Amino acid sequence: GAVVSQHPSWVICKSGTSVKIECRSLDFQATTMFWYRQFPKQSLMLMATSNEGSKATYEQGVEKDKFLINHASLTLSTLTVTSAHPEDSSFYICSAALRRGSSTDTQYFGPGTRLTVL
Amino acid sequence: TQLLEQSPQFLSIQEGENLTVYCNSSSVFSSLQWYRQEPGEGPVLLVTVVTGGEVKKLKRLTFQFGDARKDSSLHITAAQTGDTGLYLCEANFGNEKLTFGTGTRLTIIP
Repeated sequence: GAVVSQHPSWVICKSGTSVKIECRSLDFQATTMFWYRQFPKQSLMLMATSNEGSKATYEQGVEKDKFLINHASLTLSTLTVTSAHPEDSSFYICSAALRRGSSTDTQYFGPGTRLTVL
Repeated sequence: TQLLEQSPQFLSIQEGENLTVYCNSSSVFSSLQWYRQEPGEGPVLLVTVVTGGEVKKLKRLTFQFGDARKDSSLHITAAQTGDTGLYLCEANFGNEKLTFGTGTRLTIIP
């Protein structure tokens, strides 16, 4: 089956620093990757949709200058949390889909990255 | 904004019992996925349903897609402790945007 990895699996940083999270599709090429945020005991909230070679589409309320997304290749997307603050602490999950915008796309999820900002 | 409500929000039952989790929307969706997520991990896909009235079975799990394509249910027979987790439905409302449900946290008591 399709495998998606995330790195790091957890990170602790000081307030004001930037943190980069990588999402890789290991055995397939993903034209579309999604970034989600999940607070404890809550569902996943879509932050942005990233298509290879184009700018990410951010959901309403998500600051694009705060959460920088780069999808430079068909197997790698990165999310950079800039000038992180304690309220950015969360579980960040990426997923990768095989085709662009198909209604029957299957998303393959990464294992998530737990970010803690002190 | 399409909302996808799941009920119940929390469910705790004894091992061996049956249970049903619901996923409802006021809008029609073209397809729906069910996932199970364990703490500290990403969601794992259980099933995709695309046809109104469709029923799919996966061992002890039965998934149903409502005729009106606005609701879905997940029924678990003879629950086991390994079924414990957060169950999430996710729908495509035909605008290429996928929306997750509010989630049902299931705990199976040995």
